[in-house]
Amino acid sequence: DTEVTQTPKHLVMGMTNKKSLKCEQHMGHRAMYWYKQKAKKPPELMFVYSYEKLSINESVPSRFSPECPNSSLLNLHLHALQPEDSALYLCASSQGDVSGELFFGEGSRLTVL
Amino acid sequence: GQQLNQSPQSMFIQEGEDVSMNCTSSSIFNTWLWYKQDPGEGPVLLIALYKAGELTSNGRLTAQFGITRKDSFLNISASIPSDVGIYFCAGQGATSGTYKYIFGTGTRLKVLA
Repeated sequence: DTEVTQTPKHLVMGMTNKKSLKCEQHMGHRAMYWYKQKAKKPPELMFVYSYEKLSINESVPSRFSPECPNSSLLNLHLHALQPEDSALYLCASSQGDVSGELFFGEGSRLTVL
Repeated sequence: GQQLNQSPQSMFIQEGEDVSMNCTSSSIFNTWLWYKQDPGEGPVLLIALYKAGELTSNGRLTAQFGITRKDSFLNISASIPSDVGIYFCAGQGATSGTYKYIFGTGTRLKVLA
């Protein structure tokens, strides 16, 4: 079962709201990722958690705050976002090996008003 | 961020035709991944390649890991309407760093019935 589950599928929020995106995988993977994707562009890496520790932060603004409660769960907390943050947010996971298959969830479509 | 050169950018083909696309890089990679993405959905992993010269098939799809380790190719045989979508390559290697997959710019495929 190669499944990464993301909720919600769609989210509309105002610039003063606080919301969270959630991701779950049950493949025993030890690396989890957040990507941001704009229309007709490839995914852009935001954060990587490896063995539940933040390994990579691609200079993402602090209004995006990741959290990894355990090896199966990954959250992205959103606060004071801007309209230009509207995008498809993708969660992904991999085994945690140096070179491994990367599996994506279906994404959360975020619209910031 | 860093991106791979992927070509063609887009292609219109007739149903039943074969399709070829490729990704090239100035850097050496240890892993090549190929994805298909439908509008509003997350990328779906099609094929993973781990060795230079490796040729791997998945149904009507065949992908190859270039001998120089700087390129990869994806072929789709006897295309059907459901092949429409955006195809991305992704490479990972020593220069990109652990957990960093560099994505191609995408090939948009449209199949005319």
